[in-house]
Amino acid sequence: DAGITQSPRHKVTETGTPVTLRCHQTENHRYMYWYRQDPGHGLRLIHYSYGVKDTDKGEVSDGYSVSRSKTEDFLLTLESATSSQTSVYFCAISESTSYNEQFFGPGTRLTVL
Amino acid sequence: GDSVTQMEGPVTLSEEAFLTINCTYTATGYPSLFWYVQYPGEGLQLLLKATKADDKGSNKGFEATYRKETTSFHLEKGSVQVSDSAVYFCALVAGGGADGLTFGKGTHLIIQP
Repeated sequence: DAGITQSPRHKVTETGTPVTLRCHQTENHRYMYWYRQDPGHGLRLIHYSYGVKDTDKGEVSDGYSVSRSKTEDFLLTLESATSSQTSVYFCAISESTSYNEQFFGPGTRLTVL
Repeated sequence: GDSVTQMEGPVTLSEEAFLTINCTYTATGYPSLFWYVQYPGEGLQLLLKATKADDKGSNKGFEATYRKETTSFHLEKGSVQVSDSAVYFCALVAGGGADGLTFGKGTHLIIQP
């Protein structure tokens, strides 16, 4: 299994509070991704990174920001959490863009009350 | 834009039955195609992939063939087991670059003894 961890694994927070989720990899892969999983929607891309300090928006980026200060860590921040951001968040990594085979972390379940 | 369509289920089968989960796609260029599996409470695991037309991906008794003429990538298994119960996602990435995966909504498979 690819070395990907996510923290925290579960979090309950209140509307309007800031939340940061962390993805850590030990594979030294260049590309990292944040997805959210919601019933009836499958997984949707939030943001991705193609190198240290290089990030771009995905399909559902509103209300989220990301940072990548070193290869192994990719942070997802909800500046002011809303109930619509209650979801399961998955981080993924990829070594190459040739076929973009991605490996996923275990997920973080976030509940915004 | 790119899209993936798959049957959502739940699909309920008896042990040792033949499995087919349909997946069709719309994409620009020549996408790579993937099947991922998600067991309860876990992240996504790559099950198999195909990167060009007529390629057949296979793993753990599962197979899928990249059919460009019908834009399909149907998942099949000859004899399912109770342990195959999970949610299966069809996904694609089109072209090169660091783009994220485009997922179908997932198919919940239930195998009864």
